[in-house]
Amino acid sequence: EVQLVESGGGLVQPGGSLRLSCAASGFTFSSYWMSWVRQAPGKGLEWVANIKQDGSEKYYVDSVKGRFTISRDNAKNSLYLQMNSLRAEDTAVYYCARDRYQLLGYYMDVWGKGTTVTVSS
Amino acid sequence: EIVLTQSPGTLSLSPGERATLSCRASQSVSSSYLAWYQQKPGQAPRLLIYGASSRATGIPDRFSGSGSGTDFTLTISRLEPEDFAVYYCQQYGSSPLYSFGQGTKLEIK
Repeated sequence: EVQLVESGGGLVQPGGSLRLSCAASGFTFSSYWMSWVRQAPGKGLEWVANIKQDGSEKYYVDSVKGRFTISRDNAKNSLYLQMNSLRAEDTAVYYCARDRYQLLGYYMDVWGKGTTVTVSS
Repeated sequence: EIVLTQSPGTLSLSPGERATLSCRASQSVSSSYLAWYQQKPGQAPRLLIYGASSRATGIPDRFSGSGSGTDFTLTISRLEPEDFAVYYCQQYGSSPLYSFGQGTKLEIK
């Protein structure tokens, strides 16, 4: 079964750091771009970052550039999001998702259940 | 930056009725770059449609997508009780790489 399982969320003070993890199973992790997407409480979806299969290309939404770092370990089938200088507006459920880049479409076809990050004093 | 605007914000319909959800882009979007997702409370989004009109694996044929350029539509031909949820359109672009519409909530009338 294709599966993504996030972990590492929690309560952190403003200015603090947190590292999210996403464990992939059921597919060849090293063959896919991977993304992080977040959803603030009661709000819509916001793409945060993605990373190429070999980690050589990474892209971020402007609001997290310089504060968040996406990385991966293909040997461990794992995706990570290092979040530094956290702000209240980073409070959200963070989802790990598999990217698909095909002739017929660019989209995210597998999603984890999410992990909750709360930034508050 | 391409902005996606979904309408209506909330759609109230009864089971068995037809639902038509709109997604309008601020600039032309390649059909290959337009997808639709369904999200139920407390759950992760689920891919419904990619490439504007291709159904994802396991998605019932009552769901269909259409459109091109700046106007895209998700149609649910005959609503089932499990279809009441929030629907998001998404486009792949340059910056940010992906952007989503604000969502349409489909609620039971």
